[in-house]
Order: sequence, then structure tokens, then C-alpha cells
Amino acid sequence: QLQLQESGPGLVKPSDTLSLTCALSGGSISSTSYYWGWIRQPPGKGLEWIGSIYYSGINYDNPSLKSRVTISADTSKTHFSLKLTSVTAADTAVYYCARHRVGMTDAFDVWGPGTMVTVSS
Amino acid sequence: IQMTQSPSSLSASVGDRVSITCRASQSIGTYFNWYQQRPGKAPKLLISEASSLESGVPSRFSGSGSGTDFTLTISSLQADDFATYYCQQSYSSPYTFGQGTRLEI
Repeated sequence: QLQLQESGPGLVKPSDTLSLTCALSGGSISSTSYYWGWIRQPPGKGLEWIGSIYYSGINYDNPSLKSRVTISADTSKTHFSLKLTSVTAADTAVYYCARHRVGMTDAFDVWGPGTMVTVSS
Repeated sequence: IQMTQSPSSLSASVGDRVSITCRASQSIGTYFNWYQQRPGKAPKLLISEASSLESGVPSRFSGSGSGTDFTLTISSLQADDFATYYCQQSYSSPYTFGQGTRLEI
């Protein structure tokens, strides 16, 4: 049974870089049927897709984040990471990692529990 | 692609039949999903490809639609179903979600 778990600092200063890791248990990111994604949710608001990565390193992200995003996959295939640069208070959110199933049934089908990140000095 | 859900909130009772709609700003075929999110929890995928029920999801949930208009129907509400529901298009990047529909008792 695949499980995902996000980890990283809960507090980040404005203009700094937010760094999060998503660890997999019960699976590997080197499956050909899946990408691996990051989604965030500001307090009391809706969901925003940040980006997704394939095990080979191919990735794509949301243009609304203006090239501040880097998503990488660990060569051990047991975790993937998110870096978001130049953060502001608007980046305060719960950050989720998720398995991104691709193809006709393209969907985020397994999610981590989420980790709250607050941007504040 | 913008996704617009209606209503934003909905009050109902156990046993009721309810429907939530979602409209895409352009045609997306059936590249469309529904998620349920309980307070303090991660979203859970309920329905993919507009109408395919995910494994383990109760059959009282159903989805329909294609193109720009989609509907999630819960045939007989149970206490567990009171949550927020989100639609999402998977037709093209950037993947986008609706603003959510809060289903309240």
C-alpha cells in the first residue's frame, strides 16, 4: 500500500526558499504509469497544482508561480522534492504531495497528509 | 482552464439526494475528476474520467458529463459525506481545480 509523507520546515522567512520532501513507502517513483506532484492549499481556500515530475526527471509546473519552482526526484527513487524560491506571505499554505496518475484517467490518486508552511519573519 | 463549481455551499440532511455541478471554461472531454476533502485531511479522489468510480468509493457517488458541464451526485447522503468537494480538469497543464462546494448538515 503506497503511502506518502511530506516533511520540511513549518516556518520560512519572506524572500527565503521553501524546501519540502515527499517520502514514499510501499512504492517507488520509478513506475512508468505515474508522475509525482505537489499541490498546495492556502488556509481556508482551494487547491492549486504546483507541478509534477516523472522519475526520469521530466517535469512541468504551474506558470502562475513564475519560474520559482524546482521539483526534483531522488535517484534512489524513494522521494521527491519541492523548492519554491522568493517566498512571500501568499505562499503560506498546506503543501501536499501526491501520486499523479497519467493517461485517460489522469488524476491525483494517492495523497500525503500535508504539511503546513507559514511564511513569516 | 477555469473550473467553476456551483453551489459554493449546500445544506442537506442525511438521506437526501444532492448534486454539485462544475463547468469548465473550454471543452475538456472527460478529462475530469472529483475529490472529497474532510476538514484537516488531504483530498481523496472519488471519481476520475468524469464518471469512473475509484476503488473503495461507495456506489451512492456518481459522476456524469463531458465537454464543459459535469455533475457529482450523491444518491443518499450519509453522515460521512459532509465535506468539501472539488472538481479538477486533467485535460491540460496547468491542472486546475474548482473553488470547492461545502456540503453541510
